[in-house]
Amino acid sequence: GAGVSQTPSNKVTEKGKYVELRCDPISGHTALYWYRQSLGQGPEFLIYFQGTGAADDSGLPNDRFFAVRPEGSVSTLKIQRTERGDSAVYLCASSSSGGASGELFFGEGSRLTVL
Amino acid sequence: GDSVTQMEGPVTLSEEAFLTINCTYTATGYPSLFWYVQYPGEGLQLLLKATKADDKGSNKGFEATYRKETTSFHLEKGSVQVSDSAVYFCALESGGYNKLIFGAGTRLAVHP
Repeated sequence: GAGVSQTPSNKVTEKGKYVELRCDPISGHTALYWYRQSLGQGPEFLIYFQGTGAADDSGLPNDRFFAVRPEGSVSTLKIQRTERGDSAVYLCASSSSGGASGELFFGEGSRLTVL
Repeated sequence: GDSVTQMEGPVTLSEEAFLTINCTYTATGYPSLFWYVQYPGEGLQLLLKATKADDKGSNKGFEATYRKETTSFHLEKGSVQVSDSAVYFCALESGGYNKLIFGAGTRLAVHP
């Protein structure tokens, strides 16, 4: 399909393990965003890419979280030494520009469970 | 910092009932405001938006008016359908590059 694709859709891991979550945005979209949604809450901003660079990473909770977008398309969110509090749905979104149009196109998310 | 507060759910209605979901915000300046909807098994999608005071956003029979004086953006629909059952999120744009601040979401359940 032509939408934002996220893999895996579900990931169960043990505390302390390393996890990678992948996002494939809509083709041609230069802006890419990662959000985290905990149970019963709205999405919380993590990081914003314009092209290959992270223009705003102020939402990353600590240095265990890192994200890359090396070729300006696919992005990977990396979580080191996972903790139970990292359990959430991680959402990726893209848009055709970084302007404030507000139309983000979201993937269905990757549900992470840390045991 | 900027924030959004919306009414807690779940909201349970019968088909053809009138819907209001309240949303208020706190922000510096006058941000663009949005309603996103998440249908079961699907990703979040934009429902409607308003970019300045007194603007009315509308889509699929839903409406919301940007009220600067009350810092509100309440979502309304005159006659809901079972297919409107979903989680609705109010959001504001912060930073000028689609950095959205979301409310906690309101689940709507519509029964036949």
